[in-house]
Amino acid sequence: AQSVAQPEDQVNVAEGNPLTVKCTYSVSGNPYLFWYVQYPNRGLQFLLKYITGDNLVKGSYGFEAEFNKSQTSFHLKKPSALVSDSALYFCAVRDGGYSTLTFGKGTMLLVSP
Amino acid sequence: KAGVTQTPRYLIKTRGQQVTLSCSPISGHRSVSWYQQTPGQGLQFLFEYFSETQRNKGNFPGRFSGRQFSNSRSEMNVSTLELGDSALYLCASSETPGLASTDTQYFGPGTRLTVL
Repeated sequence: AQSVAQPEDQVNVAEGNPLTVKCTYSVSGNPYLFWYVQYPNRGLQFLLKYITGDNLVKGSYGFEAEFNKSQTSFHLKKPSALVSDSALYFCAVRDGGYSTLTFGKGTMLLVSP
Repeated sequence: KAGVTQTPRYLIKTRGQQVTLSCSPISGHRSVSWYQQTPGQGLQFLFEYFSETQRNKGNFPGRFSGRQFSNSRSEMNVSTLELGDSALYLCASSETPGLASTDTQYFGPGTRLTVL
């Protein structure tokens, strides 16, 4: 069975500082990994995904994520946080085979001015 | 292209009633998935439809059902509502179903269901 863990319920960072939101996964085959963001009373918005190739994936709004196979991690990063980045972030994984998308519990990111 | 649309956005029902939620996928997308989001359980997969056929089903009771029409629009129905069914119900569309595991799912704004 596939699973995703987001070990932090909340991450606090000051505006202008770098941010990292952590995600680890477990799959039996090749992992396909996704990051989504959810703003209040909104649906999930796609940020980026890793399928294969370069371990550093660049996505929307200046976000990027680093795939680390040995540590089974896919951490979301941004060099300089904005107050408007404050939202709920979800990591998701799909096994390389035929499977559904499994989401982590989500991490609330709070960026202070 | 227009995004995924869901109607209604908000719904209040009482226990025992039934409810139908609607989802229109992005034009050209043929796969529709439904998720339930609650503070306690997070995002849980309900079911996935492709070409009017249910391809996958999550671990939910039979009170939860869905269907997909020939134009790829989808509906989900919950019968005999319980207080625990209060949640945000999200619909997502993709070009192809879970068989193409690299596909991105694009989400609608959700329907907030409150059961009193």
